[in-house]
Amino acid sequence: EDKVVQSPLSLVVHEGDTVTLNCSYEVTNFRSLLWYKQEKKAPTFLFMLTSSGIEKKSGRLSSILDKKELFSILNITATQTGDSAVYLCAGGTSGTYKYIFGTGTRLKVLA
Amino acid sequence: NAGVTQTPKFRVLKTGQSMTLLCAQDMNHEYMYWYRQDPGMGLRLIHYSVGEGTTAKGEVPDGYNVSRLKKQNFLLGLESAAPSQTSVYFCASSYRTRTSAYNEQFFGPGTRLTVL
Repeated sequence: EDKVVQSPLSLVVHEGDTVTLNCSYEVTNFRSLLWYKQEKKAPTFLFMLTSSGIEKKSGRLSSILDKKELFSILNITATQTGDSAVYLCAGGTSGTYKYIFGTGTRLKVLA
Repeated sequence: NAGVTQTPKFRVLKTGQSMTLLCAQDMNHEYMYWYRQDPGMGLRLIHYSVGEGTTAKGEVPDGYNVSRLKKQNFLLGLESAAPSQTSVYFCASSYRTRTSAYNEQFFGPGTRLTVL
């Protein structure tokens, strides 16, 4: 059965800290991995990763995929209170166009 | 562009009642999805569609039906609502390009459904 596991489940840090969120996956015919940020409502897209070892970066956020070890990490440097959210990752299967989501990591950044 | 929209935003049903949730997208996307999100459970796929007139089951399809008669719309039906279907429902859409059939999903704002 396909599954995506995220850790930690929740995390509390102070502004300025750096955090690393983990996502491991077991997905049949793995094609790509997505990261989303979810605040109050709909998840908003952060990154899509398809190749091992290539870092995707956007401002203070970056992510990388390791297809051999079946995991991805999302790094946030110099955290701000606006980074407080649930971060979701999802593994995509080739041929079915489906994504399997993890349960998310709830990040709280204190001022 | 409005992106992905969902109707209604909130609904309260009694056990046994039926209802339809409407998802619409104006991005000409090929793929559409219905998820439910419960506390501590993440997003779970109910049904999805890879094109007009086609649908497929996801992880938790029981108690739901779907239809995609038009490319821009994806309907989720509850024939006989149960308290276990109390959840937040998200619709999403995705697209293909000439170089990639697999791309990110865009989400609607969600529908909060309570079944008493």
